[in-house]
Amino acid sequence: TQLLEQSPQFLSIQEGENLTVYCNSSSVFSSLQWYRQEPGEGPVLLVTVVTGGEVKKLKRLTFQFGDARKDSSLHITAAQTGDTGLYLCAGVGGTSYGKLTFGQGTILTVHP
Amino acid sequence: SQTIHQWPATLVQPVGSPLSLECTVEGTSNPNLYWYRQAAGRGLQLLFYSVGIGQISSEVPQNLSASRPQDRQFILSSKKLLLSDSGFYLCAWNGNGFYGYTFGSGTRLTVV
Repeated sequence: TQLLEQSPQFLSIQEGENLTVYCNSSSVFSSLQWYRQEPGEGPVLLVTVVTGGEVKKLKRLTFQFGDARKDSSLHITAAQTGDTGLYLCAGVGGTSYGKLTFGQGTILTVHP
Repeated sequence: SQTIHQWPATLVQPVGSPLSLECTVEGTSNPNLYWYRQAAGRGLQLLFYSVGIGQISSEVPQNLSASRPQDRQFILSSKKLLLSDSGFYLCAWNGNGFYGYTFGSGTRLTVV
């Protein structure tokens, strides 16, 4: 069974601060995805990383896939109140019919 | 463009009553389809997935079942609901699993 450990579980910061969320596993994933979810809605895909060492940027968000494809991080620069939400990492294993293994999520609250 | 529809948005059902949640996808063919359950703003647990009509795989033993009567229709059912079936149910689809899921807007089920 592939597991993804996501940390921290809760993050409460002031607007303008930077933050990093981590996603770690002892298993290798063929791809890793990050989602953002608002209360009462389904998760929305932010990014997919597929190559070890890959870095992707989405405005103020930077996503990195570890060299060994076992871990990933999400860094937000100059957080805004609109960044508030649940952030989920999810990985696809090698022979899993596209089944995703999800981390437990990070609840981010950005205060004005 | 591809869209996914999930209904109802909220449901309150008594213990012992039946359940039927429906999910349909438009704008694609032969999608992989998934049912997930999410506890209180945390990570998602995979319940069922389907790679084709009539093909259902169950991930965890439970009081629920799934069916795929048509290519783009996925149904989650129960004959008799338990209190522990309460939760947020999400349907999702993808084309090949590698590049991310598209989720429905979810159904909040409360069993009373």
